[in-house]
Amino acid sequence: EVQLVQSGAEVKKPGESLKISCKGSGHIFTDYWIGWVRQMPGKGLEWMGVIYPGDSDTKYSPSFQGQVTISADKSISTAYLQWSSLKASDTAMYYCARHVSSGGADRNAFDIWGQGTMVTVSS
Amino acid sequence: EIVLTQSPDFRSVTPKEKVTITCRASQSIGSSLHWYQQKPDQSPQLLIKYASQSFSGVPSRFSGSGSGTDFTLTISSLEAEDAATYYCHQSSGLPTFGQGTTVEIK
Repeated sequence: EVQLVQSGAEVKKPGESLKISCKGSGHIFTDYWIGWVRQMPGKGLEWMGVIYPGDSDTKYSPSFQGQVTISADKSISTAYLQWSSLKASDTAMYYCARHVSSGGADRNAFDIWGQGTMVTVSS
Repeated sequence: EIVLTQSPDFRSVTPKEKVTITCRASQSIGSSLHWYQQKPDQSPQLLIKYASQSFSGVPSRFSGSGSGTDFTLTISSLEAEDAATYYCHQSSGLPTFGQGTTVEIK
C-alpha cells in the first residue's frame, strides 16, 4: 500500500525552530515529487512547495519562500518541512502529498496525502 | 498568480439531488485542473485529475468537465457520505487552490 506517514502534532513557542517529517512507503520514493500544503484553522488549502527526492530539486510558492525549508533524505524515504523561527501565524495543519505520476514537472495533482501534522505556536 | 474562484461557497442539498460546483480560473489553464474532497478532520482526497479524468476508486457519481477557464464538478446523485468541502486545484502555473465549497446534507 502506498502511504505517507507524518510526524505527530507539535506545540511550540514563538521563535522556536521545528522540523516535521513525512515518510513514504509502498512506492519508489525518489521517483515522485512530494509537496507540502498548509491549512490554517477553518481555512482552505495553500500550496507551499514541492521537492523531488531523487535529486532534491525544490520549488517554493513565493508566499512561503524564505519562511520555510523543504528537504528530503532519500535514504530513509522521508521529506521534511522546517522553520527556523516560528510565529503564531504558522499555527496550522500541514499536509504532505505525492504527485499523481512519477517524474515530470514540478506541478501536478496530488494522489496520496499524509494524515497531517498539526503545528500550534503559542506563548 | 492564477486565482481560482469556486461557486457557490456553501450548498445545502437533499440526498439524491444533483450537485454542481464550478471553478473559474483567472486565466486559461488548459485542462490542468483537479478536484479534491475533504471531509471534516480528514486529509483531502483526489476525485478528478486533469479536468475530467476520474481517479481510481472514486464513485462514478463524481464527474468533472471543462477547459480553459471554466470547470465543473458534478455529483450526479448526492449521498449522505458526500458531505464535505470540495476544492479545485490548478497545476498550469504556480499551483493554487480554490477557496472551497462546502456541501451539507439537509
